[in-house]
This record gives sequence, C-alpha cells and structure tokens, in this order.
Amino acid sequence: AQKITQTQPGMFVQEKEAVTLDCTYDTSDPSYGLFWYKQPSSGEMIFLIYQGSYDQQNATEGRYSLNFQKARKSANLVISASQLGDSAMYFCAMREGGGADGLTFGKGTHLIIQP
Amino acid sequence: EAGVAQSPRYKIIEKRQSVAFWCNPISGHATLYWYQQILGQGPKLLIQFQNNGVVDDSQLPKDRFSAERLKGVDSTLKIQPAKLEDSAVYLCASSLGRFEGSGNTIYFGEGSWLTVV
Repeated sequence: AQKITQTQPGMFVQEKEAVTLDCTYDTSDPSYGLFWYKQPSSGEMIFLIYQGSYDQQNATEGRYSLNFQKARKSANLVISASQLGDSAMYFCAMREGGGADGLTFGKGTHLIIQP
Repeated sequence: EAGVAQSPRYKIIEKRQSVAFWCNPISGHATLYWYQQILGQGPKLLIQFQNNGVVDDSQLPKDRFSAERLKGVDSTLKIQPAKLEDSAVYLCASSLGRFEGSGNTIYFGEGSWLTVV
C-alpha cells in the first residue's frame, strides 16, 4: 500500500483564488511528521510547511496552511490568494520513526495558476 | 546561510559509462540524503548518512551505485556502469540530525540531472 497518496495529478486555478491540494497518508507509527514541498521547473525542492503528529494546531506559514485531520489521515495543503509564481509541482511527504528516517514522497500534484 | 550545493548540474553519458555526483550539505547538518527522482514521480530515497556512517541504504542498487561521505561533510554518489533507466534527477538533501520536530526539516539542493543515452 502506498504510504502517501496525492489524488490530483494536475490542477488549474485562477489567480487570487484559494487552492487545496489533497494528501492522505498511511502509517502505524504514532510519531511522524508531514511535509509539503514545492518543486518549480528548475528542479529544486523547496520546503513549505511541516506538521508533527502530536501538534495540536494546524501549521501555518504565510499563505500556506495545513489542514491536518489525524483521524482521517489527511494533511491537505491550502494556499490562499494564489499567485502566478505558485505554478509548480507540489509534493506531500512523510517521515516516520520519530524523526530518524528519510522522507517518503507522494507522486505530486502539478498546479498551474492562470491569470 | 548557504544551501545544499550539488554538482554537476547536468550530465549526459552513454550507457555503461560511469558518472559521479558531488554534494556539500548545509553547514552543521549531520544527516545527508541522496534521492533519485525519475520524471513524473516523487523522489525516492537511495541512501542516508548520519555523519559519515550509513543509516539506510536499502533502496540503493548496490551492484552499480555507491556513495560515500568521508569526514562527515561532503558526499559523492557514483554510478558504474550506468543504464538507460538511471536517467533521473539526483537530489542531495541534509538535515540537522535525528530528532523530531520542524527543526529537523530536510533541505534539498537543486539536483543533478542525468541523461543516459
């Protein structure tokens, strides 16, 4: 079974609208972390936001927020007031093992912001 | 603060040739990772170092791939001999170490793009 599932291969969104990128995960480890990365066409993976499994509140970083629903095992990324520069691939990733292991990535969502 | 540095940025080789990629992590980061990202997929972990020791190399094709991290800083990833299916972006990443929380975020370099023809 896939550990990270991103069900939206591609999305088109109008500039200035909010967008939600879906991510569900599967783990039996009680301690884990969830990450979102942005990958523009240049190839670099840019860290956006982190949510720990024990965090009580949803993480926020500027225009990015994470809608964390632990019981449903979902960690959706919300981008408010989208901009043309937000066009990129977005990857959801999980780290298990209490912070000791590397990341397991989903297949990504290709987001295109239209003017 | 300088990010993760990688070189070369692009490389084209013929199958059965060899190639080496170099990575310099963020200063002070004890953990270093090499990921392989095939076009259209998410990155896959190849190997993880903690200082200069290997923590996880379970997905490294050891018959052709090798990696080392001498002195616990820089690292090199080598492929010999290369196959067509090795065409991918090789991403180096680093983090502070093995503890929890957002402080242990993994930061990536720009990647080394390999094309095997």
